[in-house]
Amino acid sequence: GENVEQHPSTLSVQEGDSAVIKCTYSDSASNYFPWYKQELGKRPQLIIDIRSNVGEKKDQRIAVTLNKTAKHFSLHITETQPEDSAVYFCAAIHTGRRALTFGSGTRLQVQP
Amino acid sequence: GAVVSQHPSRVICKSGTSVKIECRSLDFQATTMFWYRQFPKKSLMLMATSNEGSKATYEQGVEKDKFLINHASLTLSTLTVTSAHPEDSSFYICSARTGARDSPLHFGNGTRLTVT
Repeated sequence: GENVEQHPSTLSVQEGDSAVIKCTYSDSASNYFPWYKQELGKRPQLIIDIRSNVGEKKDQRIAVTLNKTAKHFSLHITETQPEDSAVYFCAAIHTGRRALTFGSGTRLQVQP
Repeated sequence: GAVVSQHPSRVICKSGTSVKIECRSLDFQATTMFWYRQFPKKSLMLMATSNEGSKATYEQGVEKDKFLINHASLTLSTLTVTSAHPEDSSFYICSARTGARDSPLHFGNGTRLTVT
């Protein structure tokens, strides 16, 4: 089945700096890659997603890149703010299944 | 946007009792819902896929007799933790997809179960 690895597990940045979180996946047939933000005790919220026919997608301060050949995708957050502090999960959909496989999560802390 | 409602948000029960968690899709029909479990500071682990009108599909290592799933309608799936033990204490989250396989997955608010 699909295996998603995520790095780093924790990331601390200064307010205003950029943050990058990287994920790799194992199944070359996976074609949908969402990113979720989860605040403590709350549900994961979809923040951005990308499909395999696109190499990059941007939404204001958030961008995601996908390298299908290398089977990795990354989340980029620019001009970080304290409210960006949360746990971020990457995920991939295995085309033989219907459920997402999640990465292990990255705890992002933005220092004011 | 799509809303998934999950109840209760918190539940405390004694060992040996059963707890039912409900997951509802409020503004869309979900033929498939997914149940995840999340331990503190850990990732979301898929427990089972709930299929409307048929049996759930359980992931390897998940006891189907302990985690009973019923998906009797297009808007409701339930997870019952039977004969709960302290090690079942966890955050349980349901989710559903509004459309195709590559459409976004929407999560319920989650249920924090504590078994004493």
